[in-house]
Amino acid sequence: AQRVTQPEKLLSVFKGAPVELKCNYSYSGSPELFWYVQYSRQRLQLLLRHISRESIKGFTADLNKGETSFHLKKPFAQEEDSAMYYCALTNTGGFKTIFGAGTRLFVKA
Amino acid sequence: NAGVMQNPRHLVRRRGQEARLRCSPMKGHSHVYWYRQLPEEGLKFMVYLQKENIIDESGMPKERFSAEFPKEGPSILRIQQVVRGDSAAYFCASSPGQGGQHFGDGTRLSIL
Repeated sequence: AQRVTQPEKLLSVFKGAPVELKCNYSYSGSPELFWYVQYSRQRLQLLLRHISRESIKGFTADLNKGETSFHLKKPFAQEEDSAMYYCALTNTGGFKTIFGAGTRLFVKA
Repeated sequence: NAGVMQNPRHLVRRRGQEARLRCSPMKGHSHVYWYRQLPEEGLKFMVYLQKENIIDESGMPKERFSAEFPKEGPSILRIQQVVRGDSAAYFCASSPGQGGQHFGDGTRLSIL
């Protein structure tokens, strides 16, 4: 079954500390993985996708097929990174997207 | 480009009434998706539509829920005979094809 697991509902770090938001997935084929972010009072927006291999706002995520993970990382957290983060999976060639339950990141001053 | 527009932002209905949620996709996007978010839970896929066609409705409850995306006008998510358990935030997203989706602000449905 297709499933996206974000084991942490809440992650609290100090400003300047490294941050890693965990995401594990279950899928039998070759999925496309995404991270979405929702800042306070704003709509959900795409942060990055694994096929782009890009860094957005200092965040990176590497797809590890062996561990079926797509963890989101940033070396130095900023207060403005505080938001809700969702990991999502879409089956290749399809359009159905499965979202994780989300992790709320709180960056303390 | 105004982005994905959903209305109303908030909708209150009494049990047994009908709820209609509208979604206008981004200009140039022909793919529309509906999601439901219950309190303290993540987004749950409901349905994926292209113009005049339902492509995947595997996340839709079997009864009372329906969706359409007509040739002209917005996509509509319709909930008939609403019950308290239908209270949730309903999000619409659109895309030009495969890849990342653009989300609306959502409609918060409250059932009295």
